[in-house]
Amino acid sequence: GNSVTQMEGPVTLSEEAFLTINCTYTATGYPSLFWYVQYPGEGLQLLLKATKADDKGSNKGFEATYRKETTSFHLEKGSVQVSDSAVYFCALASINAGNNRKLIWGLGTSLAVNP
Amino acid sequence: GAGVSQSPRYKVAKRGQDVALRCDPISGHVSLFWYQQALGQGPEFLTYFQNEAQLDKSGLPSDRFFAERPEGSVSTLKIQRTQQEDSAVYLCASSGQGVISGELFFGEGSRLTVL
Repeated sequence: GNSVTQMEGPVTLSEEAFLTINCTYTATGYPSLFWYVQYPGEGLQLLLKATKADDKGSNKGFEATYRKETTSFHLEKGSVQVSDSAVYFCALASINAGNNRKLIWGLGTSLAVNP
Repeated sequence: GAGVSQSPRYKVAKRGQDVALRCDPISGHVSLFWYQQALGQGPEFLTYFQNEAQLDKSGLPSDRFFAERPEGSVSTLKIQRTQQEDSAVYLCASSGQGVISGELFFGEGSRLTVL
């Protein structure tokens, strides 16, 4: 079945460090891929997305490229800030037998950025 | 309202009690999802509504779980005879465009603790 695997946390970085959070997926067909972020005390919110191979999603300095050949969608940021401290979730849109779409989620990666 | 609102934010129930969790989606959003998120895990799909129609309830873990959205707006997730394994955060999300666009708007969740 469809699944998402992302690197385990917690990840602790100093401000201005480079960030990579790995995400790989297993899916039939051509799923859409997403990164969601959950800041402390807030609900999940969409960070970026890519709907087809080689697409690059970007937002708030974060980027992720949809790599079909490696079935990956790694999240990167060149210089993290304290305000980026949050839990990051990789997800894919899956279609079930009833042709209903739903999101399949990774376990989440906690990021802490120290000043 | 401006966002998805869930209530109560916190609920403590004794084992065997019934609980009801409410979700007010963003006005006009036709799609509504319920997810269950255990500590340290990603969200797990429970059920999906399009307007008042429950199109997918494949994620409901047992017949003790029941969801409704009678007028296509507010939704209620009911858990009967709660068990300790039901302890989790229950997330509600709504969308005006559907899952493929990835634009799910989440509430802050209802944290259920069953003693």
